[in-house]
Amino acid sequence: EDQVTQSPEALRLQEGESSSLNCSYTVSGLRGLFWYRQDPGKGPEFLFTLYSAGEEKEKERLKATLTKKESFLHITAPKPEDSATYLCAVVNSNYQLIWGAGTKLIIKP
Amino acid sequence: DTAVSQTPKYLVTQMGNDKSIKCEQNLGHDTMYWYKQDSKKFLKIMFSYNNKELIINETVPNRFSPKSPDKAHLNLHINSLELGDSAVYFCASSQGAGGELFFGEGSRLTVL
Repeated sequence: EDQVTQSPEALRLQEGESSSLNCSYTVSGLRGLFWYRQDPGKGPEFLFTLYSAGEEKEKERLKATLTKKESFLHITAPKPEDSATYLCAVVNSNYQLIWGAGTKLIIKP
Repeated sequence: DTAVSQTPKYLVTQMGNDKSIKCEQNLGHDTMYWYKQDSKKFLKIMFSYNNKELIINETVPNRFSPKSPDKAHLNLHINSLELGDSAVYFCASSQGAGGELFFGEGSRLTVL
C-alpha cells in the first residue's frame, strides 16, 4: 500500500537554529512529491514540487530535496514566521495524491 | 481577489440537521476537490470533480453529496449530521490531476 510518513510529528527550534523535516514514502510509480505549508486556521499553501531523485528546490530559507525513498525540507536560520505545519504529499502512478500527517514546526524567538 | 473561496467559514449545528458548504474558484482550473481534516490534522480526500464529472469518490457516507454546477463551483451537502462529522472541510482546485492544489480557507463544522 502506498504511504507517506513524516517525521518528527513536532519540532521546536530556537530562532536561527537550522534543521530538517523528513518525508519518507513508499509508492508505486512516483509522479511527483509536493510540500505544503499550513498556518493555523488556513488551508494548505503549495510550496514545492519535486519529480526525480537528486532534484532540489529553494525558496527563501527553505530547501527541498528528493531521493528515491524520502524527501527533506531543510530550514536554514528559521524565523518565528516560519512556524507552521508542513505537509508532504506524493502522486502515484494512478494519479492518486497521498498525504502525510504533517510536521508541526515551532520557532521560538 | 480570493482564488478559492468557500462559505461559510464556521457552521455550528445540531445532530440530524442538513447543511451545505459552497466553494468557488476563479483560477480557471478544471479539477476541484473536497477534503476533510480531522482533529489530528490529517487530510482525507472525499471527492474530486474534473470538468463537472465525478472522478474520485472515496468511502464517504452517502449522507455527503457533492454537486458541481460548473467547473468553477463545487458544493457539498451533508444530510442527517452526526457528531463524527465535526471537522474542517477544505475545498481545493488544480489544473489536471497533479499535486499542485490551491486550497480554500476551510469551513469548520461543529455538530452538537
